[in-house]
Amino acid sequence: GENVEQHPSTLSVQEGDSAVIKCTYSDSASNYFPWYKQELGKGPQLIIDIRSNVGEKKDQRIAVTLNKTAKHFSLHITETQPEDSAVYFCAASDRTGFQKLVFGTGTRLLVSP
Amino acid sequence: GAVVSQHPSWVICKSGTSVKIECRSLDFQATTMFWYRQFPKQSLMLMATSNEGSKATYEQGVEKDKFLINHASLTLSTLTVTSAHPEDSSLYICSARDPASATDTQYFGPGTRLTVL
Repeated sequence: GENVEQHPSTLSVQEGDSAVIKCTYSDSASNYFPWYKQELGKGPQLIIDIRSNVGEKKDQRIAVTLNKTAKHFSLHITETQPEDSAVYFCAASDRTGFQKLVFGTGTRLLVSP
Repeated sequence: GAVVSQHPSWVICKSGTSVKIECRSLDFQATTMFWYRQFPKQSLMLMATSNEGSKATYEQGVEKDKFLINHASLTLSTLTVTSAHPEDSSLYICSARDPASATDTQYFGPGTRLTVL
C-alpha cells in the first residue's frame, strides 16, 4: 500500500521568511496530492492540492510542486505570517477503490513575529 | 466550500459504555464518508470507509464489531464506539467526498474528542 513520508517534523521561521515542507510517496499509482492545515483543536482544512498531470500549482502565498519521477511533492509558503502557524499534513491518494487518502506524519510550523 | 459537521464536539464517558458520533455533510450529498482517528501529536489514521446504503470497509487492524459505522443517508454517517475503554480516547474525525467535485477533494469535520474514564 501507499506510504507517505514528510519532513521536517517541526519548522520554525521568522515572519516574512519562506517555509518549505517536503513529502515523498511510494505508490506510483497515486495521482492526487492534497495539503491540509490543522489548527489546534480543529479538523484539517484543505489549503491546496495538485493532480499528477500538473507539475506546479500556486494560490497566492502558497504553492505546491510535484515530481512524479522522483515521487515527491512539496509545499511552499512565502511571506509567512504568525497565523500560518499550525500543523501541516500532506497526503496522497490513488484512483482505485474509494480514493482513500494516506497522510504524512505532519509538520509543525511556527512563525515567529 | 463544502461543510462537514460533527456532533458532539467532545464527549466524556465511563469505561464500558458506548458512544455515538455523527458526521453530516451540510451542503452536499456524500456517497462516501471516511472515519479517522488521531492521537495527540500524531497523524490521521484511516479507520474505515463508509458508503451510503452498504457496509463499511474497515482498515486492517480496526475491529468492526467495536467501531460500528452506519451511513443511512447521503448526508449522515455515524460511528459508534462500543464498550469504550481508556485506550479508545482520541480525536475522531470524519471526512466526506463531494461526488460533484471535479477532484478527489475530501472535506473534513472539526473532530470529536472522546475521553474514556
